[in-house]
Amino acid sequence: GAVVSQHPSRVICKSGTSVKIECRSLDFQATTMFWYRQFPKQSLMLMATSNEGSKATYEQGVEKDKFLINHASLTLSTLTVTSAHPEDSSFYICSVLTGGSSYEQYFGPGTRLTVT
Amino acid sequence: GQNIDQPTEMTATEGAIVQINCTYQTSGFNGLFWYQQHAGEAPTFLSYNVLDGLEEKGRFSSFLSRSKGYSYLLLKELQMKDSASYLCAVVDSNYQLIWGAGTKLIIKP
Repeated sequence: GAVVSQHPSRVICKSGTSVKIECRSLDFQATTMFWYRQFPKQSLMLMATSNEGSKATYEQGVEKDKFLINHASLTLSTLTVTSAHPEDSSFYICSVLTGGSSYEQYFGPGTRLTVT
Repeated sequence: GQNIDQPTEMTATEGAIVQINCTYQTSGFNGLFWYQQHAGEAPTFLSYNVLDGLEEKGRFSSFLSRSKGYSYLLLKELQMKDSASYLCAVVDSNYQLIWGAGTKLIIKP
């Protein structure tokens, strides 16, 4: 079964509005979650690393004031796209990193954002 | 339910060829991705197949059979740097990504 869920799966919003995307770890507590953005037929682009209880670490070129990340609990991280513009239209994917000594990463199903 | 199966781990020798299989049962099909991921890094896009057949891209090739719900990634002339996890992901009828668990490929000298 699914390990990671995202909500909503698809959202259409008007330019200038804000959209919140949720990422939930279903089977375990995740201290670390990642947010990615994917353009058609391209690699996933890491946007930020979200750590529970602390500020997210953003990759170079990603505006932290535009893409607000909140990792308030061990099972939930949210990405808010503020003042969305059409160029923000994309596929946003989160993933969770399991704890312990092994490196295992589980990806969510993605959220398709369309800004009109 | 929706399911993607791929082997958990494979081992191969440097210079050899390895085939990583992926079988899927999904509600609809709108394409299949293969990604390579090194530990601690973001996945790197390798291929996208939506039509049946083989697509070759340098040392990497990807094959798809929609009728069989089957794909494979073929890696030739293996190099040590090819040691990584290889992820298979299918786009379903709702354009959601269904991810396989990944295959950890270990290359030995």
